[in-house]
Amino acid sequence: AQKITQTQPGMFVQEKEAVTLDCTYDTSDPSYGLFWYKQPSSGEMIFLIYQGSYDQQNATEGRYSLNFQKARKSANLVISASQLGDSAMYFCAMREGGQNFVFGPGTRLSVLP
Amino acid sequence: DAGVIQSPRHEVTEMGQEVTLRCKPISGHDYLFWYRQTMMRGLELLIYFNNNVPIDDSGMPEDRFSAKMPNASFSTLKIQPSEPRDSAVYFCASSLARDRTSNNEQFFGPGTRLTVL
Repeated sequence: AQKITQTQPGMFVQEKEAVTLDCTYDTSDPSYGLFWYKQPSSGEMIFLIYQGSYDQQNATEGRYSLNFQKARKSANLVISASQLGDSAMYFCAMREGGQNFVFGPGTRLSVLP
Repeated sequence: DAGVIQSPRHEVTEMGQEVTLRCKPISGHDYLFWYRQTMMRGLELLIYFNNNVPIDDSGMPEDRFSAKMPNASFSTLKIQPSEPRDSAVYFCASSLARDRTSNNEQFFGPGTRLTVL
């Protein structure tokens, strides 16, 4: 079974608009962490935002926020005021138990001018 | 801090040759991870170390792959003999050990693009 599901292989958004990238996860561990990474065309992996399973509030980092719905096991990334530089692959990842990370298949976001 | 350093950045070799990829983690980080990324299979965890000790190598595809971490500042991933299907981008990442509820993000190196002809 897939631990991390990202159902949107590709997304388009108009510049300056907000976009939500979906992520659902599967775990029976009560303690886990959720991460989003960005991979631009240059190839590097850039950490964006983190949400812990016990965090009471949704994480925010600048234009990035995480819509964490624990009961539904979803951790959607919201990017506000999209910029052309946001065009990239976005990966949702989960750490459970030890330090093992599991990454989702990714969503390719294209920001249109 | 220079971040995670990987070398070489690009490697082209012929089938059957030995390939060694190198990684220097961020100083002070306790964990080191090796990933492989391909279009078909996405990002796969191959192996990870804690304090230089391999913890989980279940992602290593075959006996042709081996990884070592002789000290806290250096790790290698070796493929011997290499095959065309090993062509991929190989990432090394490191992180600090924190409690399970804390952010312990992984810092990725720039990757090594391996092409096996």
